[in-house]
Amino acid sequence: GAVVSQHPSRVICKSGTSVKIECRSLDFQATTMFWYRQFPKQSLMLMATSNEGSKATYEQGVEKDKFLINHASLTLSTLTVTSAHPEDSSFYICSARALDSWETQYFGPGTRLLVL
Amino acid sequence: KQEVTQIPAALSVPEGENLVLNCSFTDSAIYNLQWFRQDPGKGLTSLLLIQSSQREQTSGRLNASLDKSSGRSTLYIAASQPGDSATYLCAVFSSGSARQLTFGSGTQLTVLP
Repeated sequence: GAVVSQHPSRVICKSGTSVKIECRSLDFQATTMFWYRQFPKQSLMLMATSNEGSKATYEQGVEKDKFLINHASLTLSTLTVTSAHPEDSSFYICSARALDSWETQYFGPGTRLLVL
Repeated sequence: KQEVTQIPAALSVPEGENLVLNCSFTDSAIYNLQWFRQDPGKGLTSLLLIQSSQREQTSGRLNASLDKSSGRSTLYIAASQPGDSATYLCAVFSSGSARQLTFGSGTQLTVLP
């Protein structure tokens, strides 16, 4: 099956720093990638949808200047949490939609972010 | 706006018991419904995907049903094992303008040995 990787799997940073998370589709091309955030014991909440070569579409309440998304190629999307604060600590999961399978999303293993 | 609800939020059963997890959604205009498993601190593992035209899907000890008109799905787990302990998430892929996955809040299952 299709594989999506995320890097890093876990990151600890100081408040005020920026953190970049990568999401890669390893064996397929993804025109669309999604970024989710999950707080402890809560479900996944969609943050934004990114399409290759265009600007991301952010969900209501998600600050686009704080969560920068770049989808530069058909296999890579990045999420940069700028000036991270403790309340940004969460589990971030990406998913990718293949070119020929628009109803199916393949999920990455997630990135645990802890901001001190 | 699609809303997905899962009941119960948590469930604890003895090993060997059959169990049912419930999922309901408010907008029946969907392409498919998917059940996922999530272990603590891990990503999602897709268990079953039911297309809107289907009534059920089976994989091993798992059986998922879909009643689109009533906005309900169930995940049946037969002969539960301690290894089944995890959080089970239901997600609906809406066919409206949003065309996105909406997740329920999950059911945390504990199977006691």
